Amino acid sequence: GAVVSQHPSWVICKSGTSVKIECRSLDFQATTMFWYRQFPKQSLMLMATSNEGSKATYEQGVEKDKFLINHASLTLSTLTVTSAHPEDSSFYICSASSGGSTVTEFFGPGTRLTVL
Amino acid sequence: GQNIDQPTEMTATEGAIVQINCTYQTSGFNGLFWYQQHAGEAPTFLSYNVLDGLEEKGRFSSFLSRSKGYSYLLLKELQMKDSASYLCAVKDSNYQLIWGAGTKLIIKP
Repeated sequence: GAVVSQHPSWVICKSGTSVKIECRSLDFQATTMFWYRQFPKQSLMLMATSNEGSKATYEQGVEKDKFLINHASLTLSTLTVTSAHPEDSSFYICSASSGGSTVTEFFGPGTRLTVL
Repeated sequence: GQNIDQPTEMTATEGAIVQINCTYQTSGFNGLFWYQQHAGEAPTFLSYNVLDGLEEKGRFSSFLSRSKGYSYLLLKELQMKDSASYLCAVKDSNYQLIWGAGTKLIIKP
């Protein structure tokens, strides 16, 4: 149980284009989903927290107009990197929890984004 | 400020035992998590402690002392596949995960 998938697993795009990453909880209903970014040899950095049916809460320094998050259902959240630039190249990882404040987060396999 | 400290890197021998320590200072405490992360992959959940004491799960055990702000992850009968980074994370009073930088564990034959 507690399987989270992400699609695509990797993507290469041109500077200025937009990229959408999907995060799905396959065998449980994810009340809350989290989006992280991880640069090489660095720790996970939380970008935003999204609850189903409501607007995402962004961490300080994360541009909400650049990183659009939609959590339209209990099994799907999407992150769209708009007008991507080379500095947005990173490993993007989502996690999901089934509700309750202390419930474990289960991670998707991650999406490696390279912006040329 | 909030802080999670764990060693940057550790080396151990296949078949041996290794203990990875984690100390934390956070605004509130709502549980401590250990995750394993292989290079280029996302973290996978290992353990969760919210009460003091030892939680054992196969070759892995995790210990928590809330009064000392301290936890450790104990790995027994080390295998080469255990070479990975081990991340300590604490949920604070806002139920947000605060992450340590991770401990890179190198297993030698």
